[in-house]
Amino acid sequence: QLVQSGSELKMPGASVKVSCKAFGYTLSNKAINWARQAPGQGLEWMGWINTNTGIPMYAQGFRGRFVFSVDTSVNTAYLQISGLKAEDTAIYYCGRGPGGFDPWGQGTLVIVSS
Amino acid sequence: DIQMTQSPSSLSASVGDRVTITCRASQAIRNDLGWYQQKPGKAPKRLIYATSNLQSGVPARFSGSGSGTEFSLTISSLQPEDIATYFCLQHNSYPWTFGQGTKVEIK
Repeated sequence: QLVQSGSELKMPGASVKVSCKAFGYTLSNKAINWARQAPGQGLEWMGWINTNTGIPMYAQGFRGRFVFSVDTSVNTAYLQISGLKAEDTAIYYCGRGPGGFDPWGQGTLVIVSS
Repeated sequence: DIQMTQSPSSLSASVGDRVTITCRASQAIRNDLGWYQQKPGKAPKRLIYATSNLQSGVPARFSGSGSGTEFSLTISSLQPEDIATYFCLQHNSYPWTFGQGTKVEIK
């Protein structure tokens, strides 16, 4: 399973780092995907990271302020968002690949508000 | 980008009814499609992978079919616990894209 870090409340302009810890398997054996779900909206695929090489791939709208990383020593993947904006308010999900998301993490709510 | 058009956006059906949800891709995606169920306040869960393969532990009343650009998820006999939003995801080419979701309610 994948267990994500808890909810975050951040000021605009701040940064946040969401963790996604793998249990029951070795993180570096499978890719990790990331997706976002804004309030009342559908899901948006953000990209994925090759957990063996650490090489990320970002969807078009997630290049620049979004960074995927992994720390295999603690079997954990991370999503860092810098320069937070109100429109980044969403639930962020990690999910094990390849070929879709299975399983999903439980989601991390990030609220950006002053 | 491949657009996934999902229909209907919502439906109301009676317990025991057969329910079908459709996703249409803007271009052929082979069988690179999965179906997911999301209950309120919960993370999504995959039901079907590679168009028609039932995820382990998922009830057999769920099935998937299709190829190319037209795909469907069928619930053969709707149960109260199936109340959820269902969506498809294509992983044939980047960026992966989700359907907009179908909210299923009990009549």
